[in-house]
Amino acid sequence: DAKTTQPNSMESNEEEPVHLPCNHSTISGTDYIHWYRQLPSQGPEYVIHGLTSNVNNRMASLAIAEDRKSSTLILHRATLRDAAVYYCILRGADSWGKLQFGAGTQVVVTP
Amino acid sequence: DVKVTQSSRYLVKRTGEKVFLECVQDMDHENMFWYRQDPGLGLRLIYFSYDVKMKEKGDIPEGYSVSREKKERFSLILESASTNQTSMYLCASSSLVGATGGNTIYFGEGSWLTVV
Repeated sequence: DAKTTQPNSMESNEEEPVHLPCNHSTISGTDYIHWYRQLPSQGPEYVIHGLTSNVNNRMASLAIAEDRKSSTLILHRATLRDAAVYYCILRGADSWGKLQFGAGTQVVVTP
Repeated sequence: DVKVTQSSRYLVKRTGEKVFLECVQDMDHENMFWYRQDPGLGLRLIYFSYDVKMKEKGDIPEGYSVSREKKERFSLILESASTNQTSMYLCASSSLVGATGGNTIYFGEGSWLTVV
């Protein structure tokens, strides 16, 4: 399975944007890029996913590089509730949909 | 709202006991998964199932078994619990319809198991 690389942690002030990078240089053509986040003592929750084009939803935006070897999750206005571990994961069609989690990025939001 | 429900949030069991962790999803998903999460090790896949009565080993199946008798229910079984199985256990489900890679995986809230 292709792997992803993320920074261990990032800090942001409340109401400022947060840009979370993810490198996935060995991504295959059929791999989707997924982002999940995990709040303390809870299961991971879906944030966003994409294949080639940039994606927006009510939680975040996903910017995918043209060569697909990297992507950035954008939280437009961080709130204290966004403090969580964010996981960037590649999900292929030929792996029964298994998710291989890395260490993720711990986002700290300061009031 | 989609829902993956894990039967027990917190359990304390004794070494050698047989432990059942139950998971139910209400989305008619084909795929179901069991992960465990430990500090510094992240989430690791124990078993997954893509259909009733079907199961596949994940990365760390030793010491565990699973059962999927109905589509909505996936059980994780610790035949003889040991202290190194103290962990948080997460159940998840996903559809197999369409582009599997593009389908969302939904997680339960987790079951905290302590084996003493």
